[in-house]
Amino acid sequence: RKEVEQDPGPFNVPEGATVAFNCTYSNSASQSFFWYRQDCRKEPKLLMSVYSSGNEDGRFTAQLNRASQYISLLIRDSKLSDSATYLCVVSLNTGGFKTIFGAGTRLFVKA
Amino acid sequence: DAGVTQSPTHLIKTRGQQVTLRCSPKSGHDTVSWYQQALGQGPQFIFQYYEEEERQRGNFPDRFSGHQFPNYSSELNVNALLLGDSALYLCASSQLRGTHQDTQYFGPGTRLTVL
Repeated sequence: RKEVEQDPGPFNVPEGATVAFNCTYSNSASQSFFWYRQDCRKEPKLLMSVYSSGNEDGRFTAQLNRASQYISLLIRDSKLSDSATYLCVVSLNTGGFKTIFGAGTRLFVKA
Repeated sequence: DAGVTQSPTHLIKTRGQQVTLRCSPKSGHDTVSWYQQALGQGPQFIFQYYEEEERQRGNFPDRFSGHQFPNYSSELNVNALLLGDSALYLCASSQLRGTHQDTQYFGPGTRLTVL
């Protein structure tokens, strides 16, 4: 079983659609959770951190369920510029910090 | 304020050769992590350096080694290159605050091709 698993994708959606990404992690000792965005042939960039209380940043909402070891990202009113790969990221402290990325879910938003 | 920088941007090597990749962290950051990203995959954690020591390591063979300098910059060395080492190598910097690691910021990466 992979340490961080994401929906395989790709997701193809029209502009204005709502799209949800799901992610599960296997290590219950995981401490920090993030969603990163990666454009083609570019470096990953932080989209948002994820907290148990849930957090929202404009059209983006992230949620963490520690009991189920599940992370989600919701994008409302999709824009063409949202087309990218979305990476679920988990970090844990085992004497040093180890950061584990999911394989990513590719999103295509079409006009 | 310069972000994370990496050099070189591209590199072509042949099997069996050795390569050194370099990273300068974002100003104020003291921790550097290295990742390997194969095409179509997420980044895979190689190791993390803090206070000039390797603090955490992923599932990579000893051919992968690193170093952190007093100015927090870092090098990744790969010996005896294999075709499968062809990938984008990403460096990320962050700041450690006690038992908490702040957000990691990534450099643009070095694309390594092994022929």
